Amino acid sequence: DSGVTQTPKHLITATGQRVTLRCSPRSGDLSVYWYQQSLDQGLQFLIQYYNGEERAKGNILERFSAQQFPDLHSELNLSSLELGDSALYFCASSVGQSPYEQYFGPGTRLTVT
Amino acid sequence: QQQVKQSPQSLIVQKGGISIINCAYENTAFDYFPWYQQFPGKGPALLIAIRPDVSEKKEGRFTISFNKSAKQFSLHIMDSQPGDSATYFCAASERGGSQGNLIFGKGTKLSVKP
Repeated sequence: DSGVTQTPKHLITATGQRVTLRCSPRSGDLSVYWYQQSLDQGLQFLIQYYNGEERAKGNILERFSAQQFPDLHSELNLSSLELGDSALYFCASSVGQSPYEQYFGPGTRLTVT
Repeated sequence: QQQVKQSPQSLIVQKGGISIINCAYENTAFDYFPWYQQFPGKGPALLIAIRPDVSEKKEGRFTISFNKSAKQFSLHIMDSQPGDSATYFCAASERGGSQGNLIFGKGTKLSVKP
């Protein structure tokens, strides 16, 4: 158990809908990262927050957004969902700003029908 | 520039054998090279990591070998066990970069036969 928690574990929704994925980092970690894992693209970095502020951005679609709250938990919002958004979404956390020693949560499996 | 190339895609090893997975990178600014292990339905778990100032790091049955001049690094699993059957990912990152993330290889599915 990495200490990173994610909810929900599974999510099934229809195209065009909006969902929110939640992540709580390990105790003491200030950075939260979001990754998307699909069969064809592998593990792709989406976005990083450090202590409430956006730190780095990867291949995140405009339909997706995230935020980190004062208690350091983070939410990833996915809107106008398409079939191609079906994937595993992982949250990871680390102590500092640098992307070292990232610990991953168990993931949320999103299925868009 | 940002890619990390991993091989092989899949690997079958007999119990007790040595599993070797290789990765290559282009960006010389990378300064942290971790390996992750992922079981089906689980998140990637940090296994072992190395910085470019050392050529080898060993933790139990797992060893990373690092060749800075060749821009390559590899994971060796000694005395491979059926419980090691999983997908392994190499990754790389850069401390000062604006990317702030790990660049992952495509993964190697390891099967250890009893």
